[in-house]
Amino acid sequence: NAGVTQTPKFRVLKTGQSMTLLCAQDMNHEYMYWYRQDPGMGLRLIHYSVGEGTTAKGEVPDGYNVSRLKKQNFLLGLESAAPSQTSVYFCASSYRRAGVADTQYFGPGTRLTVL
Amino acid sequence: AQSVAQPEDQVNVAEGNPLTVKCTYSVSGNPYLFWYVQYPNRGLQFLLKYITGDNLVKGSYGFEAEFNKSQTSFHLKKPSALVSDSALYFCAVRDSLDSWGKFQFGAGTQVVVTP
Repeated sequence: NAGVTQTPKFRVLKTGQSMTLLCAQDMNHEYMYWYRQDPGMGLRLIHYSVGEGTTAKGEVPDGYNVSRLKKQNFLLGLESAAPSQTSVYFCASSYRRAGVADTQYFGPGTRLTVL
Repeated sequence: AQSVAQPEDQVNVAEGNPLTVKCTYSVSGNPYLFWYVQYPNRGLQFLLKYITGDNLVKGSYGFEAEFNKSQTSFHLKKPSALVSDSALYFCAVRDSLDSWGKFQFGAGTQVVVTP
């Protein structure tokens, strides 16, 4: 049982390049989330998903796209990377209990630098 | 709309002394409250949660938190801090009226425990 895994762990991009971050969970969780963590700003929600094939925008969605074609995977795409997207990205998943999202489980993070 | 405030950027405490990390929240419905801890270069780890029931919640590593509805607070406490408790602590809230399962995180509080 690996929990939540993220690929890659580190990445350096040049401005304008694109990339995809992969998140996988093996806990059969309904909900999945992408956050970015910047110093002094806590975690900010980028996009999230309430189930396979369903995604929604979070607090800071601009410049990012997501897809959830399989229940266990949640992909975050950067179409044209910008230096402002330099951050640490965390994926999380949570189970549904009594019809609502319960405890979140986090991946180890991806450290992205955009030059 | 939901929001969370952690009023202290950093808390300093001597080993063996009580530790308190403050959190206040604002929701439209009922709050679901969580505490997470983050060690350097790691993902967030779940500590404890309040969904319903007893106002005093006990969690991992000897931590506990008290839900206070009138003061809209959910402060994290530990009776006797350890050097190994030095980490970044996040409070998170989910509004019962939010059917999409979004969580709001505070900015985080850095705890430094000195020997």
